Amino acid sequence: GDSVTQMEGPVTLSEEAFLTINCTYTATGYPSLFWYVQYPGEGLQLLLKATKADDKGSNKGFEATYRKETTSFHLEKGSVQVSDSAVYFCALISGNTPLVFGKGTRLSVIA
Amino acid sequence: NAGVTQTPKFQVLKTGQSMTLQCAQDMNHNSMYWYRQDPGMGLRLIYYSASEGTTDKGEVPNGYNVSRLNKREFSLRLESAAPSQTSVYFCASSESGVGNGYTFGSGTRLTVV
Repeated sequence: GDSVTQMEGPVTLSEEAFLTINCTYTATGYPSLFWYVQYPGEGLQLLLKATKADDKGSNKGFEATYRKETTSFHLEKGSVQVSDSAVYFCALISGNTPLVFGKGTRLSVIA
Repeated sequence: NAGVTQTPKFQVLKTGQSMTLQCAQDMNHNSMYWYRQDPGMGLRLIYYSASEGTTDKGEVPNGYNVSRLNKREFSLRLESAAPSQTSVYFCASSESGVGNGYTFGSGTRLTVV
């Protein structure tokens, strides 16, 4: 079945550092890909998405490019802030199946 | 807009007790979902309802039942709670279509002792 694998955390960075969180997927057909963010004590919020190969999703300084050849959707940000501390989930939808999540990566940014 | 509203936010149950988690959305979405979140496991789908009047099992349905009461409401019932059901439960909704993301509620933290 469809699955998402993302790098295990926790990831700890200093403020203004560059962030990469790796995400790869296995899916039949042509999935849509998503990154969700969960701040402490809250539900998940959609951060960005891409619905076809080579699309780049972006929001709040975060970016991810849908790479069909490497089945990847890595999340990047050029300069993280303390307020970016959260858990990040990579996810996909393929066909009629509901959203499938990776296990999440906890990011801590220290001042 | 309220989006997706879950009640209660916190609950402690004794083993064997029953309870119903409530979820309502005000976005006129067709599809609704129940996930559970456990440390190191990400989110796992319990049940979903692709449209009013239909429900389907997800990855971890055992010990749960659901009711799609109407287009707005989708409830999750634990008939006889077990400690293994201690988790954070999230309800979500979406419009049909693979390109649409889900809108999540803020979660119910359930502890079964």
